Amino acid sequence: SQQGEEDPQALSIQEGENATMNCSYKTSINNLQWYRQNSGRGLVHLILIRSNEREKHSGRLRVTLDTSKKSSSLLITASRAADTASYFCATDSLDFGNEKLTFGTGTRLTIIP
Amino acid sequence: DVKVTQSSRYLVKRTGEKVFLECVQDMDHENMFWYRQDPGLGLRLIYFSYDVKMKEKGDIPEGYSVSREKKERFSLILESASTNQTSMYLCASSFTVPQQAGGQYLPLKETQYFGPGTRLLVL
Repeated sequence: SQQGEEDPQALSIQEGENATMNCSYKTSINNLQWYRQNSGRGLVHLILIRSNEREKHSGRLRVTLDTSKKSSSLLITASRAADTASYFCATDSLDFGNEKLTFGTGTRLTIIP
Repeated sequence: DVKVTQSSRYLVKRTGEKVFLECVQDMDHENMFWYRQDPGLGLRLIYFSYDVKMKEKGDIPEGYSVSREKKERFSLILESASTNQTSMYLCASSFTVPQQAGGQYLPLKETQYFGPGTRLLVL
């Protein structure tokens, strides 16, 4: 199974509601990142949280990290139609010199106007 | 702003053709990556490079090769395209931020910046 796995695979909510997505991983990490991908486009970085951080905010985004449970959540508050996209978590490796990130399969978020 | 460009948005090739996908970044990043993205499988790393002329295999390197002759350019080569290589190909780049811990420099795995993707169809 993959290092980063998002849950749920798909989520549909009404505009204005909050959206929560979860990510679980298996091995220890330095940091965890969340990315967004609009349909047919490249990924855009949203937020990075380091292993010694528990919570981080950026605008309407709130990310939490629980290293004891090897899990993270991404909360989007007051959702907008433009938030419709796929969201991926990405985890790194503790290996020195290894710049790889491992991406999950993503959560497809649909905001219903 | 970081800009990562890919040579084509859409590409149609025939089985057996040699295919070149080009990626260029303008931020002097040390690291460059090639991924493919398929429905239900997420992003899978094909190859990456952490310096000019250096390359490392990712998770699915079979059927692919890469070239990095200049720091800003990373090419993905499909030696003999096959139908199972029909996919979305994404290039990314990142810089390395060294931090010192216990006398050793440990690179922080920083943000990756992605290009718009190339959708390749092999007939």
